[in-house]
Amino acid sequence: GAGVSQTPSNKVTEKGKYVELRCDPISGHTALYWYRQSLGQGPEFLIYFQGTGAADDSGLPNDRFFAVRPEGSVSTLKIQRTERGDSAVYLCASSLEQGAYEQFFGPGTRLTVL
Amino acid sequence: QKEVEQNSGPLSVPEGAIASLNCTYSDRGSQSFFWYRQYSGKSPELIMFIYSNGDKEDGRFTAQLNKASQYVSLLIRDSQPSDSATYLCDLNLGGNQFYFGTGTSLTVIP
Repeated sequence: GAGVSQTPSNKVTEKGKYVELRCDPISGHTALYWYRQSLGQGPEFLIYFQGTGAADDSGLPNDRFFAVRPEGSVSTLKIQRTERGDSAVYLCASSLEQGAYEQFFGPGTRLTVL
Repeated sequence: QKEVEQNSGPLSVPEGAIASLNCTYSDRGSQSFFWYRQYSGKSPELIMFIYSNGDKEDGRFTAQLNKASQYVSLLIRDSQPSDSATYLCDLNLGGNQFYFGTGTSLTVIP
């Protein structure tokens, strides 16, 4: 079956611009996570959705970052006024339900802010 | 203070040897532990998870958990060149957040 998909695979933008990163989880998975991974680091938790609601957004670094999941499936991570320090690979993962232990990761979106 | 600590390596072992990867954590409330493998330029994929003290074996992989000493390890027996990757330790405190270590780079030398 289809895994987690993310688009675009690469995004290059200029400092100060707005970007949207999309995640399409595995069908039927209610839990969805966003992570950010910088070079040489492990994934850093950003936000978790259970269904349509953001159950935990404590990992978002500041108010320039926002994520939605309006219909409980596809999620969009939105970054306003991008900064060079936002450059990283943004990973999305889904799992079958809250508390389920295996997360399935998408291929990631590599964001480069010039 | 970092939640999860891993030796970044690189760790090199000859083909056929046992690779030992270690991870320590700071929060005694940690409930579940995961090992992910990440090939260069790829996303993490789950290898094993463990919740209880002791050993858990799956094929060539054994996860070991010692909650009293706050460490979890991954042993890879009969290491193969295809095992060369970064191994990420991940823990969950019982909520919805998962804390990853920085990863240990493993190279298996043919």
